[in-house]
Amino acid sequence: ETGVTQSPTHLIKTRGQQVTLRCSSQSGHNTVSWYQQALGQGPQFIFQYYREEENGRGNFPPRFSGLQFPNYSSELNVNALELDDSALYLCASSQSGLPYEQYFGPGTRLTVT
Amino acid sequence: LAKTTQPISMDSYEGQEVNITCSHNNIATNDYITWYQQFPSQGPRFIIQGYKTKVTNEVASLFIPADRKSSTLSLPRVSLSDTAVYYCLVGEGTGTASKLTFGTGTRLQVTL
Repeated sequence: ETGVTQSPTHLIKTRGQQVTLRCSSQSGHNTVSWYQQALGQGPQFIFQYYREEENGRGNFPPRFSGLQFPNYSSELNVNALELDDSALYLCASSQSGLPYEQYFGPGTRLTVT
Repeated sequence: LAKTTQPISMDSYEGQEVNITCSHNNIATNDYITWYQQFPSQGPRFIIQGYKTKVTNEVASLFIPADRKSSTLSLPRVSLSDTAVYYCLVGEGTGTASKLTFGTGTRLQVTL
């Protein structure tokens, strides 16, 4: 059974640029959630995708957007990057019916300069 | 929104049992209580989940009193590798929509 994978591992971008982060869900999981984790803080929920539709959103601006593909993999897109977007971005997958048991990937460390 | 409160940090010696208590006074009827563990620079790892009474798995036990306003994660005989941040979460939403709300967690330091 393959776990959740994310790419890239690290990324450095300049303020104002756009970034796309990718996530492959664990085999058998049809729901993907994205979280942002700033240094020393707990992960903050960005949004969730279920069967290619957004299925819940946290308190993040519209410049944070996402996609889920038919194979349940997902992308997180962030436009007009700001310095405060520097964080660890985590993807988590889960099965429908077990929404509280989420399996996290290793994360993508984004640095905005 | 059910907010959780847990100690910022705890220290333990290797081999001891560690109990981390979390309060969630405003827990809703449909909410589950879930605990995650996170090592530095890694994603959180699901440990255990419960609704009421006691749940035990190969890693930990979760004790939930009848009023469900608190819960206790019990780690038997901790080792150095249990040094991590532990998050108590109260599940929001039903069915497929679950927004996990993480607090700042409890930083457990295990020493010899």
